[in-house]
Amino acid sequence: ELKVEQNPLFLSMQEGKNYTIYCNYSTTSDRLYWYRQDPGKSLESLFVLLSNGAVKQEGRLMASLDTKARLSTLHITAAVHDLSATYFCAVDLSQTSGSRLTFGEGTQLTVNP
Amino acid sequence: GAGVSQTPSNKVTEKGKYVELRCDPISGHTALYWYRQSLGQGPEFLIYFQGTGAADDSGLPNDRFFAVRPEGSVSTLKIQRTERGDSAVYLCASSFGEYNEQFFGPGTRLTVL
Repeated sequence: ELKVEQNPLFLSMQEGKNYTIYCNYSTTSDRLYWYRQDPGKSLESLFVLLSNGAVKQEGRLMASLDTKARLSTLHITAAVHDLSATYFCAVDLSQTSGSRLTFGEGTQLTVNP
Repeated sequence: GAGVSQTPSNKVTEKGKYVELRCDPISGHTALYWYRQSLGQGPEFLIYFQGTGAADDSGLPNDRFFAVRPEGSVSTLKIQRTERGDSAVYLCASSFGEYNEQFFGPGTRLTVL
């Protein structure tokens, strides 16, 4: 059974600081996704990582994937309050065009002024 | 273009009643997914359709849950004899193409009293 673990689960940081969220998974996969969820809202797709060594960046967020270590990271640079949200990683075991995603528990990020 | 839509946004029902939740995917998306999210947790997979057929229904918790997608577009999740433990946000997602990037709807918050 695939297990996806994120840490930390709760993160409080000051504006302007850097931090990394980690996503570990238990079964070999080279398809990993990061989502953002604001309170009471649905999930917004942030990054799609499809191969070992993949790195994607958007604004202050950068995601990477190491399939050998079964690890993905979401790095936050110079955090701002607008980044406060819950971030989920999700793993897809299939190599085909559609299949279930297995999500981590989420990391609740709070950026304080 | 229009995203995934779900109706109703909120549903309050009594224990033992029958409910139907509707999902309208992004036009042209062949894959459709149902997930369930409890408070403070990541979404959990329920069922996945490719076209009209259920390609994977292994996440449905028991036989009270059933979903259909008769014309390969709109899907309905049906829950019989609802229980208080069914209370959650039910999320629908759709995707197209080989990268399986899933786009989520706003969800239906189901409360069983």
